[in-house]
Amino acid sequence: NAGVTQTPKFQVLKTGQSMTLQCAQDMNHEYMSWYRQDPGMGLRLIHYSVGAGITDQGEVPNGYNVSRSTTEDFPLRLLSAAPSQTSVYFCASSYSNAGGVSFSYGYTFGSGTRLTVV
Amino acid sequence: AQKITQTQPGMFVQEKEAVTLDCTYDTSDPSYGLFWYKQPSSGEMIFLIYQGSYDQQNATEGRYSLNFQKARKSANLVISASQLGDSAMYFCAMREAWGYQKVTFGIGTKLQVIP
Repeated sequence: NAGVTQTPKFQVLKTGQSMTLQCAQDMNHEYMSWYRQDPGMGLRLIHYSVGAGITDQGEVPNGYNVSRSTTEDFPLRLLSAAPSQTSVYFCASSYSNAGGVSFSYGYTFGSGTRLTVV
Repeated sequence: AQKITQTQPGMFVQEKEAVTLDCTYDTSDPSYGLFWYKQPSSGEMIFLIYQGSYDQQNATEGRYSLNFQKARKSANLVISASQLGDSAMYFCAMREAWGYQKVTFGIGTKLQVIP
């Protein structure tokens, strides 16, 4: 099925370990982003990308790294996991009309990754 | 910077009644898009409805409508004839038109429909 695929769905890490959350979309969306969801705080933007080779920081980028080598994939790397990174992570994608009107394009979300850091 | 405010952490509504979920926003951009998403207990994020800043009419999608009051910077979601399956978290979001078109979310409102 077309959409956004996130893996893994669940993960437990020990403090200090590193890992990569995978995100892939097959809708040829230019725009991809990573959010974390914490109780009482809604969804907060970690990093986003407007196309292959272009990424930028969001609201809470510390401790996370991204790259975008293809249109389809946008992995999120946790460099040295901390308990404060325990959260649910969502990848989302949308069309984007760089330099034009894009605000009508909504997100397609992945199913989320529940990460626990102990 | 743009900001979304949802002031109702939790709401109850009787089945078959209508309910309004509040959302106010703040932006200096004259062009923007407003969205509502539903997150049931299973965790997935489901798009419900969209309103553009230049749209003259309020958006409607089935039982969902968006009460858009531009001067007051509010974009309330109205659910008519509530059903048990409407019990979920609801998030209001705004997308800026220019620059990198970031999407900002509110903290959400948890709606519980009572039989």
